[in-house]
Amino acid sequence: DAKTTQPNSMESNEEEPVHLPCNHSTISGTDYIHWYRQLPSQGPEYVIHGLTSNVNNRMASLAIAEDRKSSTLILHRATLRDAAVYYCILPPFGTYKYIFGTGTRLKVLA
Amino acid sequence: SAVISQKPSRDICQRGTSLTIQCQVDSQVTMMFWYRQQPGQSLTLIATANQGSEATYESGFVIDKFPISRPNLTFSTLTVSNMSPEDSSIYLCSVDLTAMGIQYFGAGTRLSVL
Repeated sequence: DAKTTQPNSMESNEEEPVHLPCNHSTISGTDYIHWYRQLPSQGPEYVIHGLTSNVNNRMASLAIAEDRKSSTLILHRATLRDAAVYYCILPPFGTYKYIFGTGTRLKVLA
Repeated sequence: SAVISQKPSRDICQRGTSLTIQCQVDSQVTMMFWYRQQPGQSLTLIATANQGSEATYESGFVIDKFPISRPNLTFSTLTVSNMSPEDSSIYLCSVDLTAMGIQYFGAGTRLSVL
């Protein structure tokens, strides 16, 4: 299973963009890259996922490196409600098994 | 998405007893998952519970300690048996609605064992 590496914590000012990195150098060609976040006292929440091309949705953008060994979750304008632990997950193709790493705790400053 | 309800939301139990946690989904799903989140830690997958088959447990988790039922496509239970203080954790269920590997999680059951 591909291993992910994320910084333990990051800070951002409110209404500024945030770039959350994830390294996954052992990713296989069929592994999708998923991002989830866990707000305090809640279960994880799906944010975005992608395979090769960059992806956008209403919550965030996902930028995937050309060699797929790293990716970046982009929050375009951080709000206080975005303070959470963000997880980058690579479920092996066909198994749907999620292996959660330590994630990145994002702190948003007012 | 889906509405996933877990009961109870929290409980305080005595060591040696058992607690059954319920997970109800508002739509039919094939794949359900149970996770444990120990204090200050990330989530760890306990087992995969597909309707019509026995649950598949991950390394370190056994059926005698964490029996799982999956009687239909909208419901599952996880029992934490013969509890000890080390079982104090948040237990979460999740479902894969789309068969694309996207999971939706319940809010969790916060268990404290005294």
